[in-house]
Amino acid sequence: SQTIHQWPATLVQPVGSPLSLECTVEGTSNPNLYWYRQAAGRGLQLLFYSVGIGQISSEVPQNLSASRPQDRQFILSSKKLLLSDSGFYLCAWSVHEGFTDTQYFGPGTRLTVL
Amino acid sequence: AQSVSQHNHHVILSEAASLELGCNYSYGGTVNLFWYVQYPGQHLQLLLKYFSGDPLVKGIKGFEAEFIKSKFSFNLRKPSVQWSDTAEYFCAQHQGNTPLVFGKGTRLSVIA
Repeated sequence: SQTIHQWPATLVQPVGSPLSLECTVEGTSNPNLYWYRQAAGRGLQLLFYSVGIGQISSEVPQNLSASRPQDRQFILSSKKLLLSDSGFYLCAWSVHEGFTDTQYFGPGTRLTVL
Repeated sequence: AQSVSQHNHHVILSEAASLELGCNYSYGGTVNLFWYVQYPGQHLQLLLKYFSGDPLVKGIKGFEAEFIKSKFSFNLRKPSVQWSDTAEYFCAQHQGNTPLVFGKGTRLSVIA
């Protein structure tokens, strides 16, 4: 069966420091991969998605970036964190089933920027 | 652009009450619809999904949703809620090769 891992689970970082959040998927090949940010009362905001190695689509311009160095690995990064980057970051994967995708989510990373 | 509206931000129900959470989507073509649930301290889980066919979809834990194309709605229902249904519920739509579009979520609090 497929599983998705995210680490770290929680992270506290000072403003201006770099960020690297990692997401890996097991038990499937060539998944679509997604990074979301969840803020209270604002639902899930799609940040990036990837349909293959090295292919990244950015949905919201900001100081975050994403990379997909391997088929089942998706990394969210920042060179300099802002206070507004605090939030709950979710990684998700999907495979195409018929005419659509079903997304499955990881446990998330709680990021606090101080 | 696609959008999903969940009109209720926070719903409070007593145990055994019936539940209906509203969801309206914007896209008028072929659309795939989902409900996800996030229990406190847990990750998002898929409750149910509609691709085609019977517009009444049964999901896990006694939940169901009805796709009404004429109303652009996909409301989530449960005849009798339990305390363990306390969670945040997200409606989402997907069309073609575009990523999922989520609503802002509805927080459900079930009290004894």
